[in-house]
Amino acid sequence: KNQVEQSPQSLIILEGKNCTLQCNYTVSPFSNLRWYKQDTGRGPVSLTIMTFSENTKSNGRYTATLDADTKQSSLHITASQLSDSASYICVVSQDSNYQLIWGAGTKLIIKP
Amino acid sequence: GAVVSQHPSRVICKSGTSVKIECRSLDFQATTMFWYRQFPKKSLMLMATSNEGSKATYEQGVEKDKFLINHASLTLSTLTVTSAHPEDSSFYICSARTDRYEQYFGPGTRLTVT
Repeated sequence: KNQVEQSPQSLIILEGKNCTLQCNYTVSPFSNLRWYKQDTGRGPVSLTIMTFSENTKSNGRYTATLDADTKQSSLHITASQLSDSASYICVVSQDSNYQLIWGAGTKLIIKP
Repeated sequence: GAVVSQHPSRVICKSGTSVKIECRSLDFQATTMFWYRQFPKKSLMLMATSNEGSKATYEQGVEKDKFLINHASLTLSTLTVTSAHPEDSSFYICSARTDRYEQYFGPGTRLTVT
């Protein structure tokens, strides 16, 4: 069964601290893995997209990693800011039909 | 970057009425648009895939007669919730695909059926 699992379910950290969010998937075939940020009451915004051959990708303070062998990905946030408070969703795309398999997300709260 | 808009952002309607939600790609043409539904604290659930000029493809369990989708042009798709009931209250999000990999999401529409 195609699944995307994320951990932790929620996370609270202090402003300025770093954090890492995890994503494990069992999706086949695999085309690419995406990380989205979703603010409450808003649509998701793409942070990174990684294909099979990419191990790491950065977007400002966000760095995503991908291990296609173990089917694991992580999203590292450096020097967190209050505006980073959001849900972070890991999504895997299958090449065959462009459908996206969505994780349940990690709710991140940054406290001052 | 590519921008997708939705209108309205919030709508409250009475049970039994129909509601139309518009999804527009503002600066690009989208041959394919997607409609999602999201319940509180849950992830997005794909409802249907909309291709310009053809009938939408609905996911299993989604009633096509209740959720009417029209993709009349390369920049506009509409979702009409017919005979809405309180259980249809949800956050509806559309996305538009530009190429093989990227989907751009709209800001969402909060539907409340009283």
